[in-house]
Amino acid sequence: DVKVTQSSRYLVKRTGEKVFLECVQDMDHENMFWYRQDPGLGLRLIYFSYDVKMKEKGDIPEGYSVSREKKERFSLILESASTNQTSMYLCASSSPTGSYQPQHFGDGTRLSIL
Amino acid sequence: AQSVTQLDSQVPVFEEAPVELRCNYSSSVSVYLFWYVQYPNQGLQLLLKYLSGSTLVKGINGFEAEFNKSQTSFHLRKPSVHISDTAEYFCAVSGNTGNQFYFGTGTSLTVIP
Repeated sequence: DVKVTQSSRYLVKRTGEKVFLECVQDMDHENMFWYRQDPGLGLRLIYFSYDVKMKEKGDIPEGYSVSREKKERFSLILESASTNQTSMYLCASSSPTGSYQPQHFGDGTRLSIL
Repeated sequence: AQSVTQLDSQVPVFEEAPVELRCNYSSSVSVYLFWYVQYPNQGLQLLLKYLSGSTLVKGINGFEAEFNKSQTSFHLRKPSVHISDTAEYFCAVSGNTGNQFYFGTGTSLTVIP
């Protein structure tokens, strides 16, 4: 079974801090994704990556950046955290062989910015 | 562009009753369709997927979904729900434009004892 591990389940930070959310997958997947989940809005794609050192903006990239130095690890960075970034963050990975491959999700990080 | 609409944000249903969660999509290309379930404080878990072939797809936990191309729908059904089915359900579509998924806003299913 694919395992996607997010480093923290719950995180509390202060406005203006630089925040790192880490995600590791163990299935040698090329594709990795970061979403945020808010009530009534579903999942919105922040950034995704098709390969090491490669990144693409999703639908809501403002205020975020990402890093992918190793294939198994994909980090989401909040450059200067703000209260409107309080949310549930979900990481996912998938195999690259076609868009029919399902995405596999971690358990999420519930981030609160005070 | 692709998009997914889940018309029902909340669906309450009594235990052992049937349920249908509705999903409609829009796409100008061939699509692949998915249903995911999210239990409280967990990530999303794949329930079932439609790639091609038979329009009736069976998934885990007794769920099934039917792909209807003419109505651009992919509704999820279960003939008899259990308390443990209480969760958030997401419909998603993927197409020929890479591996990006588009998710609906979710339907919260509450099974009442």
